[in-house]
Amino acid sequence: GAVVSQHPSWVICKSGTSVKIECRSLDFQATTMFWYRQFPKQSLMLMATSNEGSKATYEQGVEKDKFLINHASLTLSTLTVTSAHPEDSSFYICSARDGRELQETQYFGPGTRLLVL
Amino acid sequence: GQNIDQPTEMTATEGAIVQINCTYQTSGFNGLFWYQQHAGEAPTFLSYNVLDGLEEKGRFSSFLSRSKGYSYLLLKELQMKDSASYLCAVRPLLGGYNKLIFGAGTRLAVHP
Repeated sequence: GAVVSQHPSWVICKSGTSVKIECRSLDFQATTMFWYRQFPKQSLMLMATSNEGSKATYEQGVEKDKFLINHASLTLSTLTVTSAHPEDSSFYICSARDGRELQETQYFGPGTRLLVL
Repeated sequence: GQNIDQPTEMTATEGAIVQINCTYQTSGFNGLFWYQQHAGEAPTFLSYNVLDGLEEKGRFSSFLSRSKGYSYLLLKELQMKDSASYLCAVRPLLGGYNKLIFGAGTRLAVHP
């Protein structure tokens, strides 16, 4: 399967600071990437769809000014959590759609655990 | 609305067979995926069904019935390392960009 990397794997920051998370497709080009968050023992909640060269599409209830997404190239999407607060602490996971496959499977990065103090 | 249901928890014995069911109601259907997720890790892809029937992949098989809005994941010869959450995800026909709707996941505990 395709490989997706994510950096950093974990981050601890003070309330009010901004945190940037990178998602890279390592061996394929991804015109579309997805950003999810997951709370303990819960399933994945889609936050937004990141499209290369255009604006991200946010899910209902997700603040686009709070969670900035930039998909600058076919292999890189970034999520910036602006002015982070303790309630933003969560497990953030990206996925990339492998367009080479007929089924266009989403492959997930290893996730970023964010703790806001 | 979109709805995907799967049992919250299941337990099984090492070496046995377990079937995890998933029912869905979505705005159209364009494929169903099963993912495995170990605690604290990201999901890994297991299987994909878009046509009715059974897809077999080693110890794992997945079945789909589109008319019933139903799928199951079958795990054979269970091993302790199979203890994980299993996520059923449907790709609706509407919604764009191939996004997936995930179920809440089934936590499987395999015991000796």
